[in-house]
Amino acid sequence: NAGVTQTPKFRVLKTGQSMTLLCAQDMNHEYMYWYRQDPGMGLRLIHYSVGEGTTAKGEVPDGYNVSRLKKQNFLLGLESAAPSQTSVYFCASSYPVGQPHHEQYFGPGTRLTVT
Amino acid sequence: AQSVAQPEDQVNVAEGNPLTVKCTYSVSGNPYLFWYVQYPNRGLQFLLKYITGDNLVKGSYGFEAEFNKSQTSFHLKKPSALVSDSALYFCAVRDKNFGNEKLTFGTGTRLTIIP
Repeated sequence: NAGVTQTPKFRVLKTGQSMTLLCAQDMNHEYMYWYRQDPGMGLRLIHYSVGEGTTAKGEVPDGYNVSRLKKQNFLLGLESAAPSQTSVYFCASSYPVGQPHHEQYFGPGTRLTVT
Repeated sequence: AQSVAQPEDQVNVAEGNPLTVKCTYSVSGNPYLFWYVQYPNRGLQFLLKYITGDNLVKGSYGFEAEFNKSQTSFHLKKPSALVSDSALYFCAVRDKNFGNEKLTFGTGTRLTIIP
């Protein structure tokens, strides 16, 4: 099992450019999440999905869009990148809340710099 | 609303000494509580969780945590610290209310074990 994988690992964008981050999981998890990690702020939830074809906003959704067309994949898009979106992005997945093992499993992260 | 506080940004412990990383939480109902560890340039790894039952929870790498409902705390402990325990530790909480899919993270505590 590869667990949760993220593509790419690093990216540098110019202000105004767009990009898509890909998250894939092979654990048959229903739930998937996108977080950003900034120094001194912990992890903040951007968007999440509780199943194929569903998405919902998290704590800091502005400037991002997501799609969950397949159960195993969760895409995070930046339509017009801004320097404030410079961060490390983590994807996570889990079984539904209420199941015995619903802790979240994290990918290795994508380091994004917007200049 | 749910929240987590990790009052110490940095904790230094001598190798072989016991360690404690503090966490307090706030939820409207009963909590699910988690500890995660992050090594440099890696994603978060699940350490342990409290769901119900025994207030003392044992997890990976010899770590344990004690749930204290009256003090709304979930401190992470280890009897004898190793240099390899040096990392960033995150506490997280989820309210047990049905339909709450979101996990709220603390801002993290950097643990340094001094040889």
